[in-house]
Amino acid sequence: SQTIHQWPATLVQPVGSPLSLECTVEGTSNPNLYWYRQAAGRGLQLLFYSVGIGQISSEVPQNLSASRPQDRQFILSSKKLLLSDSGFYLCASRVWETNEKLFFGSGTQLSVL
Amino acid sequence: SQQGEEDPQALSIQEGENATMNCSYKTSINNLQWYRQNSGRGLVHLILIRSNEREKHSGRLRVTLDTSKKSSSLLITASRAADTASYFCATGGKLTFGTGTRLTIIP
Repeated sequence: SQTIHQWPATLVQPVGSPLSLECTVEGTSNPNLYWYRQAAGRGLQLLFYSVGIGQISSEVPQNLSASRPQDRQFILSSKKLLLSDSGFYLCASRVWETNEKLFFGSGTQLSVL
Repeated sequence: SQQGEEDPQALSIQEGENATMNCSYKTSINNLQWYRQNSGRGLVHLILIRSNEREKHSGRLRVTLDTSKKSSSLLITASRAADTASYFCATGGKLTFGTGTRLTIIP
């Protein structure tokens, strides 16, 4: 089965600083990849998804961007963080042809101060 | 926008009792999935039910689907303290999640 690696687990950043969160996938190839954000005590908001290298779809206009430089690598970035970017960020992977379920990473808790 | 919405938002029961959570969705679906999230962790897939299925079982989990009412329910039987978590339903090709039900099992 797939394993999703996400790091760091916790991150505290000042407002206006840049951000780079990385997600890598093991155990599969050509996955669909997703970035979700979860506010405290809330549901998951889909931010970006990717069906292949260099292919990114944005779901919500915001201060963030995503890139997929390799098949099993998905990066979430920001040039200047806002307070509202705080939250729990989750990367997920899905191989549509064999299984429709999502595998999630362990998440990054981002606090922007 | 959220496709699935879980109800209730929070549920507390005694260990050994059954827990039932509901999910409502808005548009036609091919399948509906339930996930579990322990506090501060990623989500874990529990069960998938297809639109042509009405009921599905997996261990202590029982899921029903009523496409005419656009709703699903998740039943956890003989609850254990370890079942304490948030439970989410998800639908759609891009898997849109609801706000979840926070389940607390009281030992």
